[in-house]
Amino acid sequence: DSGVTQTPKHLITATGQRVTLRCSPRSGDLSVYWYQQSLDQGLQFLIQYYNGEERAKGNILERFSAQQFPDLHSELNLSSLELGDSALYFCASSVGLAEVEQFFGPGTRLTVL
Amino acid sequence: AQSVTQLGSHVSVSEGALVLLRCNYSSSVPPYLFWYVQYPNQGLQLLLKYTTGATLVKGINGFEAEFKKSETSFHLTKPSAHMSDAAEYFCAVTYNYGQNFVFGPGTRLSVLP
Repeated sequence: DSGVTQTPKHLITATGQRVTLRCSPRSGDLSVYWYQQSLDQGLQFLIQYYNGEERAKGNILERFSAQQFPDLHSELNLSSLELGDSALYFCASSVGLAEVEQFFGPGTRLTVL
Repeated sequence: AQSVTQLGSHVSVSEGALVLLRCNYSSSVPPYLFWYVQYPNQGLQLLLKYTTGATLVKGINGFEAEFKKSETSFHLTKPSAHMSDAAEYFCAVTYNYGQNFVFGPGTRLSVLP
């Protein structure tokens, strides 16, 4: 158990819908990262937040957005969902900006029908 | 752009045999290198990491990896495979502390009895 929690574990929705994935980092960690894992694209970095502020962006679509709240939990919002958005979405956390080790949550499996 | 290649999407070894999973990265600057393991339906767990110092790095579960700058490689080895080692293994690289990782495509390790 990494100490990072993600909810829900599974999510099934239809094309065009909007969903929110939630992540709670390890106690004391200020950085949160979001990743997408799919069969065709592999594991891709989406976005990083540190203490409430966006710090780095990867291959995140404009239909996707994220935020980190004052209690440090983070939410990833996916809108106008397409079939290709079906994937495992992982959250990871680290102590701060100067730490290289990230701790991964168990993931949320999103299925878009 | 940073990239990570892992030779062999699927590797099979017999129980007790040597495990060798290959990882090469593209870089013109010194990287930070990682190996993560993903068991079915679980998140990623850090096996080991190289940041600075000794180029032979020991990790959990008997795994080790050697950073070879001249070969831009960070291959993962274990002297004797165990059935419980069957999983997906990801090599990852980052060039900035706490910034986005670039993951390799992964290698699925099967251990045969």
